[in-house]
Amino acid sequence: ILNVEQSPQSLHVQEGDSTNFTCSFPSSNFYALHWYRWETAKSPEALFVMTLNGDEKKKGRISATLNTKEGYSYLYIKGSQPEDSATYLCAPYNAGNMLTFGGGTRLMVKP
Amino acid sequence: GAGVSQSPSNKVTEKGKDVELRCDPISGHTALYWYRQSLGQGLEFLIYFQGNSAPDKSGLPSDRFSAERTGGSVSTLTIQRTQQEDSAVYLCASSLQRGRNTEAFFGQGTRLTVV
Repeated sequence: ILNVEQSPQSLHVQEGDSTNFTCSFPSSNFYALHWYRWETAKSPEALFVMTLNGDEKKKGRISATLNTKEGYSYLYIKGSQPEDSATYLCAPYNAGNMLTFGGGTRLMVKP
Repeated sequence: GAGVSQSPSNKVTEKGKDVELRCDPISGHTALYWYRQSLGQGLEFLIYFQGNSAPDKSGLPSDRFSAERTGGSVSTLTIQRTQQEDSAVYLCASSLQRGRNTEAFFGQGTRLTVV
């Protein structure tokens, strides 16, 4: 089972602030890196699936970058809104064909 | 159905009883995953199916846990002689083929409480 670390564990920001968090994973046998958003009382929903070193993906105010050589990905949220409050999970897809999730970053955006 | 369906949504059981949790993946999705989230913890991998076979059972916490998948579709997770530490939300997810380049779709989960 992969060691996947996410930091910080939790984050409180004011509405309008921009923020970012980190996902660290083993760089060997790497195939893909998934990001999911998990809102309270809902199921996790995919944000991005990234495969190539240097990949950058964007969806509205949320973007992500990937460094497969050093084993990390950053998720950025520009101008945070209360509806962005959720736990953000990353999951590398390794040679064993399973998604291993990190502990998540819990984001709380205050109006 | 349109999404991943799990049943029951909530289950309260007495310690020592067996429980079965069901997952109906999205039609055509050959990869199926089971995870659980215990209170205050992250998503813990339990088992992965590719079609009907389970190449990775490494996450099953004990021999009281078993899972099967039939017809490349419905999967059941069985917990025998439940213990209080089995209380958690059990999530199922499915994805196309091996899923490494495609997202996983999650069900709403089954909240299991062992009393």
